[in-house]
Amino acid sequence: GDSVTQTEGPVTVSESESLIINCTYSATSIAYPNLFWYVRYPGEGLQLLLKVITAGQKGSSRGFEATYNKETTSFHLQKASVQESDSAVYYCALGEGSGTYQRFGTGTKLQVVP
Amino acid sequence: EAGVTQSPRYAVLQEGQAVSFWCDPISGHDTLYWYQQPRDQGPQLLVYFRDEAVIDNSQLPSDRFSAVRPKGTNSTLKIQSAKQGDTATYLCASSSANTEVFFGKGTRLTVV
Repeated sequence: GDSVTQTEGPVTVSESESLIINCTYSATSIAYPNLFWYVRYPGEGLQLLLKVITAGQKGSSRGFEATYNKETTSFHLQKASVQESDSAVYYCALGEGSGTYQRFGTGTKLQVVP
Repeated sequence: EAGVTQSPRYAVLQEGQAVSFWCDPISGHDTLYWYQQPRDQGPQLLVYFRDEAVIDNSQLPSDRFSAVRPKGTNSTLKIQSAKQGDTATYLCASSSANTEVFFGKGTRLTVV
């Protein structure tokens, strides 16, 4: 089936350090999967961080970036220098396109400490 | 622009009780989703609609769960005879053909 596996949390990183949250996917029923990273900040709803719909492309937002790698079926989230305000839960997801639902990973809780 | 609104924000039930969750999507969004998110897991689709039609309800436990969107706008998710295993956050989301998916803050349900 279609599924997403991501780094188990919680992950603790010191401010200004680099971050990578791993995400791999399996898309057996979707010919051209779209890949997403969502974030949930404390007290807020889930919101889209970035998405990439074409293999080989990179998406970026708020200093985060992720590259859609079809060969390794990966979509790792990276940031060169995290801030305390990045503390949140991050979810990797895959979907078929606009107007269809998404399949989510279990989420990775990130805590950035001073 | 108002976001996706859900109510109530919290609910605590005893096993066997019924509960309804209400969702008001973003105006103009034709697609509405209900997800269940157990603690420490990712959201899992229960059902989604396009306008008033159910597109996929294959993951909805039909013996106790039901969902409607009668006019293609607001939606209600109902659980009859709740079980402890239903304890989770219930998320509503909406989208249209050319937009991302927007999520509400969810309803946290505890069944004791």
